[in-house]
Amino acid sequence: GQQLNQSPQSMFIQEGEDVSMNCTSSSIFNTWLWYKQDPGEGPVLLIALYKAGELTSNGRLTAQFGITRKDSFLNISASIPSDVGIYFCAGQEEYGNKLVFGAGTILRVKS
Amino acid sequence: KAGVTQTPRYLIKTRGQQVTLSCSPISGHRSVSWYQQTPGQGLQFLFEYFSETQRNKGNFPGRFSGRQFSNSRSEMNVSTLELGDSALYLCASSFGRGLAFFGQGTRLTVV
Repeated sequence: GQQLNQSPQSMFIQEGEDVSMNCTSSSIFNTWLWYKQDPGEGPVLLIALYKAGELTSNGRLTAQFGITRKDSFLNISASIPSDVGIYFCAGQEEYGNKLVFGAGTILRVKS
Repeated sequence: KAGVTQTPRYLIKTRGQQVTLSCSPISGHRSVSWYQQTPGQGLQFLFEYFSETQRNKGNFPGRFSGRQFSNSRSEMNVSTLELGDSALYLCASSFGRGLAFFGQGTRLTVV
């Protein structure tokens, strides 16, 4: 089925480093969402983006909605051990609440 | 405000059996969506219910079905289980058309 291209697949970084991940799509989405999932749990919503070009922050997290509405990136500044997990981007279609997900970025942090 | 509640958390079934999973959305949310998460396919949309009506459906066989009750609680049913149906089944609740909040999921293992 339709899926977003999310990269990188995984990252192993030093505590304190900044992290950047992105998603691209061949389709236009009206809303982009970023989630974090811990093992054995459901995804937790981090940031929602509604307008093309919008830049939104949530603490150490910053995300941007691409101008073409076909891409988004997520930055995490000064990573800490609890940032470990899988990060997913998701595009919301124009009608209803269906989300199309990226394959996820696995983040590991060395302390 | 209580979050999204999914029951049961874990389930083991035998091939050929059927299973029913339950989801109670956040109070006031009328939209419930279901997703299947597997290592190979990632997060895939199953269907969405809004005000007791199926509003959208993903590309899954007819063995996968769902319904929503007047109190917005939702159930999904999988009949004639196959080994490949082993997955984490996630429910997401939304207020109208908007942000999707996920439950912890039901881990289904088919043996």
